[in-house]
Amino acid sequence: EDQVTQSPEALRLQEGESSSLNCSYTVSGLRGLFWYRQDPGKGPEFLFTLYSAGEEKEKERLKATLTKKESFLHITAPKPEDSATYLCAVRGNKLVFGAGTILRVKS
Amino acid sequence: DGGITQSPKYLFRKEGQNVTLSCEQNLNHDAMYWYRQDPGQGLRLIYYSQIVNDFQKGDIAEGYSVSREKKESFPLTVTSAQKNPTAFYLCASSLSGSADTQYFGPGTRLTVL
Repeated sequence: EDQVTQSPEALRLQEGESSSLNCSYTVSGLRGLFWYRQDPGKGPEFLFTLYSAGEEKEKERLKATLTKKESFLHITAPKPEDSATYLCAVRGNKLVFGAGTILRVKS
Repeated sequence: DGGITQSPKYLFRKEGQNVTLSCEQNLNHDAMYWYRQDPGQGLRLIYYSQIVNDFQKGDIAEGYSVSREKKESFPLTVTSAQKNPTAFYLCASSLSGSADTQYFGPGTRLTVL
């Protein structure tokens, strides 16, 4: 059975304090790994799609990387507006979502 | 602007009532999806449709029904058979039903009184 585990469940950072969020997965035949950002009471906003190990994508202060077992979302010098829940999803035979990491960035 | 709209934003239901959540997209996507989000859990798939007049059950379809009469619209009905309907409901669409990225609407929060 395809599974996705995100860690940590919650993360508090000071503004400018870089860190990483983890998405570990087991899937039979990876057909894509997706990262989304979700603000409270809103729908998830698409960030990145990764398809193969070694692939990396960047957007502003965010960088997503992929290995055969996990993906990292690196946040460099975060700002308070980066506070949100970050969701990871993997597609094998179907799309499976992790429970998310709640990120809080204090100024 | 292309996107996905959901209405209403908030919905209150009395026990025993059926309610219908609206989802419309103007992205010209073939595939549409309904998810349920509960605190501390990943999104769970209720129903999906890859083409007009066709839809498939997801992992938690019991107590829900859908229709896909138009490409742009995929309404979800929460029936009285759904025992615990209070949740945040998300509609999504993708270009096709394969490995394409899914884009989400703003969500509807349903509360049972």
